[in-house]
Amino acid sequence: SAVISQKPSRDICQRGTSLTIQCQVDSQVTMMFWYRQQPGQSLTLIATANQGSEATYESGFVIDKFPISRPNLTFSTLTVSNMSPEDSSIYLCSVVAQGAQETQYFGPGTRLLVL
Amino acid sequence: AQSVTQLDSQVPVFEEAPVELRCNYSSSVSVYLFWYVQYPNQGLQLLLKYLSGSTLVKGINGFEAEFNKSQTSFHLRKPSVHISDTAEYFCAVTVYNQGGKLIFGQGTELSVKP
Repeated sequence: SAVISQKPSRDICQRGTSLTIQCQVDSQVTMMFWYRQQPGQSLTLIATANQGSEATYESGFVIDKFPISRPNLTFSTLTVSNMSPEDSSIYLCSVVAQGAQETQYFGPGTRLLVL
Repeated sequence: AQSVTQLDSQVPVFEEAPVELRCNYSSSVSVYLFWYVQYPNQGLQLLLKYLSGSTLVKGINGFEAEFNKSQTSFHLRKPSVHISDTAEYFCAVTVYNQGGKLIFGQGTELSVKP
C-alpha cells in the first residue's frame, strides 16, 4: 500500500481565516479523495481530487469553501476557507493506488480546531 | 442510493472473549465492502475487504468477515480480542466501477476490558 503523509497534523485556527492541508503520497496513485470526520462522527466524502482539472464535489460541499488542487499524481491540497467553529474536524485524504482495485488507503489526518 | 448501517454504536467486551460487529448495507447494484479501524488519535487503517470470490475474508490482527449477499450483511468477527483491539471500527461500501466513493457506516466503538 502507498505511504501517505499529511501536513499539518493538527492546527488551531481563528475564525475567518483559511488553512491549506497537504497530502503527499510516495507513489503515483490513480485516485485521491478528501474526507471530513466531524467530532464523534463518521467520515463524509468532500470531493474527488482530479489530476489537472477541477475537483468533483459531493452534495453539500462547494469549491469556494473547500478549494482543492491536484497538480500531479502524488500530491493534493485541500483548503478550508473562511473558517468557523463548525469546521472543526479531522480532514483525511485517501488514495487508490495503481492496481489496487478501488481499495482506499487513508492518510493520518489533520485535526483542525477553529476558535 | 447506497447506505451502510452499523447496528451497534458501542460494544463492550472482556479480553479474550469473541466479538462480532454487525454491518448491513443497502444497494441495488454490486458493491465492494470494507472494514476500517481507527485507533485513538490516528487515521484509518484497512482491516479487510471483500471484492469478489470467497465470501469469508480474513484480515489483519486476526479479524475476519463474511459477506452474505442475501442478507446484505458484512459482519466482522474475532474469536478472541485483546486490549489493543480497543478502537472505532467503520464498515464502508463502494459501488463497483462508480469512481470509488466510499460510503461509511456510523462506526462501532469496541471497548475491550481486562
